Amino acid sequence: EDQVTQSPEALRLQEGESSSLNCSYTVSGLRGLFWYRQDPGKGPEFLFTLYSAGEEKEKERLKATLTKKESFLHITAPKPEDSATYLCAVSRGDNAGNMLTFGGGTRLMVKP
Amino acid sequence: SAVISQKPSRDICQRGTSLTIQCQVDSQVTMMFWYRQQPGQSLTLIATANQGSEATYESGFVIDKFPISRPNLTFSTLTVSNMSPEDSSIYLCSAGLGGELFFGEGSRLTVL
Repeated sequence: EDQVTQSPEALRLQEGESSSLNCSYTVSGLRGLFWYRQDPGKGPEFLFTLYSAGEEKEKERLKATLTKKESFLHITAPKPEDSATYLCAVSRGDNAGNMLTFGGGTRLMVKP
Repeated sequence: SAVISQKPSRDICQRGTSLTIQCQVDSQVTMMFWYRQQPGQSLTLIATANQGSEATYESGFVIDKFPISRPNLTFSTLTVSNMSPEDSSIYLCSAGLGGELFFGEGSRLTVL
């Protein structure tokens, strides 16, 4: 059974204080690892897909990396508008169409 | 990218009634998915909806409780039947396009 564990559950940062969110996964034949941002009352917003160990992707202050067992979402010099819940999810190589298993999320709060 | 619209965005329902949620995608997609997000929790897959065939349900979810229709490549519905307070959740529609999975804004149901 696929498992995705995110840590920490909640993270408070001061504006400008860089940090990383962790996503550990167990999946039979990883097809892709996905990162989403979810604001309160909204649906998840797609950020990145990573497909193989060693891959990195960046978007503004966010950088996602992938190893064979985990992924990190690095946040550089965060701003209050980066406050949200960040979700990690995996899809298996044997399922077509991106059926995802989600982790519990990390709730990020950035204070000015 | 894909834009996914859901209706209703929220509703308050009485115990024992049923509610149908509609999901419209602005592109033709092969597979659509329905997720549930209970208060303070992450996303759990309910079922995969393929056009022209019966939906595939995940463990713990059954067709009698969550009937799904998929009449064409841009539209799907999820019905939550015979509702109880435990069904109070956000229900999210998603669709895969170009290796990415996009989500609607969700339908927040409160069952009294």
